[in-house]
Amino acid sequence: QVQLQESGPGLVKPSQTLSLTCSVSGGSISSDCCYWSWIRQPAGKGLEWIGRIYSSGSTDYIPSLKSRVTISVDTSKNQFSLKLSSVTAADTAVYFCARAEKYTGGFDYWGQGSLVTVSS
Amino acid sequence: QAVLTQPSSLSASPGASASLTCTLRSGINVALYRIYWYQQKPGSPPQYLLRFKSDSDKQQGSGVPSRFSGSKDASANAGILLISGLQSEDEADYHCMIWHSSAWVFGGGTKLTVL
Repeated sequence: QVQLQESGPGLVKPSQTLSLTCSVSGGSISSDCCYWSWIRQPAGKGLEWIGRIYSSGSTDYIPSLKSRVTISVDTSKNQFSLKLSSVTAADTAVYFCARAEKYTGGFDYWGQGSLVTVSS
Repeated sequence: QAVLTQPSSLSASPGASASLTCTLRSGINVALYRIYWYQQKPGSPPQYLLRFKSDSDKQQGSGVPSRFSGSKDASANAGILLISGLQSEDEADYHCMIWHSSAWVFGGGTKLTVL
């Protein structure tokens, strides 16, 4: 059973960089079956996909965040990470990491989510 | 106008059926898209329910009961999640999703109340 767990600071100051890591267990992040995404959800609102990374390191990002987002992978640690720079209060949200199978799509495994608050 | 529009809320009685809609923006043809559905309960991550494009291109999530099913209404340009035999445990938020313009796009979600 694949499990994902987010970790990182729960409080980030405005204009600084948000950093989160997703640790994957029960399966290899290097598997060719899948890719790995970050998704966020502001309180009381809908889900927003941020971007994805393949084990090869290839990435895709949502255009509205592309200039501020970096997703990276560390296959040796079975982890992938999110960095979001120049954060504002609008970036306050629960951040989820999730796995999707390449050919069927759909996020079949999710982390529990990590609340990140942007505040001074 | 948002790519995907969902009603913010819906109420239905136990044992009844609920039809949750996900309307695609004008100009985006629902026939061309796989529509994914997720269930999310308070304090928990979304759980994958199913995917539907057509009767020959659909997938039920692992362990998801058959009373959850997908369909489309071409006249309304919408995807539909049908939940039959509603149970109290079905009370949750439901999100739809498509792959559009090289990005995953979610609807705003529908809060389903079972009462």
